[in-house]
Amino acid sequence: DQQVKQNSPSLSVQEGRISILNCDYTNSMFDYFLWYKKYPAEGPTFLISISSIKDKNEDGRFTVFLNKSAKHLSLHIVPSQPGDSAVYFCAATVSGYALNFGKGTSLLVTP
Amino acid sequence: DGGITQSPKYLFRKEGQNVTLSCEQNLNHDAMYWYRQDPGQGLRLIYYSQIVNDFQKGDIAEGYSVSREKKESFPLTVTSAQKNPTAFYLCASTQFFQVNTEAFFGQGTRLTVV
Repeated sequence: DQQVKQNSPSLSVQEGRISILNCDYTNSMFDYFLWYKKYPAEGPTFLISISSIKDKNEDGRFTVFLNKSAKHLSLHIVPSQPGDSAVYFCAATVSGYALNFGKGTSLLVTP
Repeated sequence: DGGITQSPKYLFRKEGQNVTLSCEQNLNHDAMYWYRQDPGQGLRLIYYSQIVNDFQKGDIAEGYSVSREKKESFPLTVTSAQKNPTAFYLCASTQFFQVNTEAFFGQGTRLTVV
């Protein structure tokens, strides 16, 4: 049973615009959320995270928003760049137990 | 430079054969993990190890085995009992098992059954 869901398999955005990637979860015990970026044939790399006690975390062009009541989080990339084209995985954990991943959203940033 | 090394990058296996995927880390991390990725799927946990000489089954452990004799090494064996082994395998580590921090991933091994 998928506890972390990314319902959009793909997203296409123009360079310079905002990319918004969404993630929903079902387990209310999740207390830490992470986003990973993955290029083809490579391992995922950590992008940004947020604790359940916060509702926003920002790092440069990347901002993650958490809405606990809706069990929803989103990753905003502003401005989007062609090098951001990759698959983005949302992940969640309960007290540091091994990560639960979503299926990923493939982002394509076009010039 | 610290990191996780997986080898080989590509691996071909004949039906009925066991194969072992290597995962080595020099990050001095206690916990290590094996994930499997299939097209259109998220990463699914196969096995994890919290500490040396300890390992636990993840969500899809059937047909796989692991060992953790050294802190640095967490090899995964795909046995002939695994009915659909063709996939992309990722090894990861975290400093400790129960810590809210990011996992570091290897570059992956693509296993194909021929």
